[in-house]
Amino acid sequence: AQSVTQLDSQVPVFEEAPVELRCNYSSSVSVYLFWYVQYPNQGLQLLLKYLSGSTLVESINGFEAEFNKSQTSFHLRKPSVHISDTAEYFCALTLQGAQKLVFGQGTRLTINP
Amino acid sequence: NAGVMQNPRHLVRRRGQEARLRCSPMKGHSHVYWYRQLPEEGLKFMVYLQKENIIDESGMPKERFSAEFPKEGPSILRIQQVVRGDSAAYFCASSPGGFGNQPQHFGDGTRLSIL
Repeated sequence: AQSVTQLDSQVPVFEEAPVELRCNYSSSVSVYLFWYVQYPNQGLQLLLKYLSGSTLVESINGFEAEFNKSQTSFHLRKPSVHISDTAEYFCALTLQGAQKLVFGQGTRLTINP
Repeated sequence: NAGVMQNPRHLVRRRGQEARLRCSPMKGHSHVYWYRQLPEEGLKFMVYLQKENIIDESGMPKERFSAEFPKEGPSILRIQQVVRGDSAAYFCASSPGGFGNQPQHFGDGTRLSIL
């Protein structure tokens, strides 16, 4: 069975500091990987995805994630966070050829001024 | 708004009543997924449907829960004889195809509270 583990349930950081949200996955077959962001009382919004090709993927708002097959990781990073980045972040996977998403437990990112 | 539309946003039911949650997918999307988010937990897959067909219901509880996606109209998630443990946020997502490389787009969810 496939699984996703987000190692930190909460991450507090100061504004303009760098941040890394960790995600590890377990699967015996190839997967697609995603990061979603959830703002309070809203649905999930796709932040970025890894399907194939370059292992470093970027979003339009400064986040990036790197697929590391040997370490089965897909950590999310941002060099300088803003107050508006306060949200819950979910790492997820699908099996190639499958449809359902398998989610991690989520990491709550809190930005302090 | 061409996004995934869910209604109602909030639903309160008493134990034993029925809950009906509706989801209209994005325009052009024919694949619908339902997920449940319990407090302090991630989302768990429940069911995957195409028009008039249930493709994968491996995450659905065996009793009281059912889903449909008729030829016309929204997808419906139905919970009969609700219990306190059904209190959760229920999210619908849609995609244009059934391949994992086509990201799912989520609605804002229905927050179900059981009194």
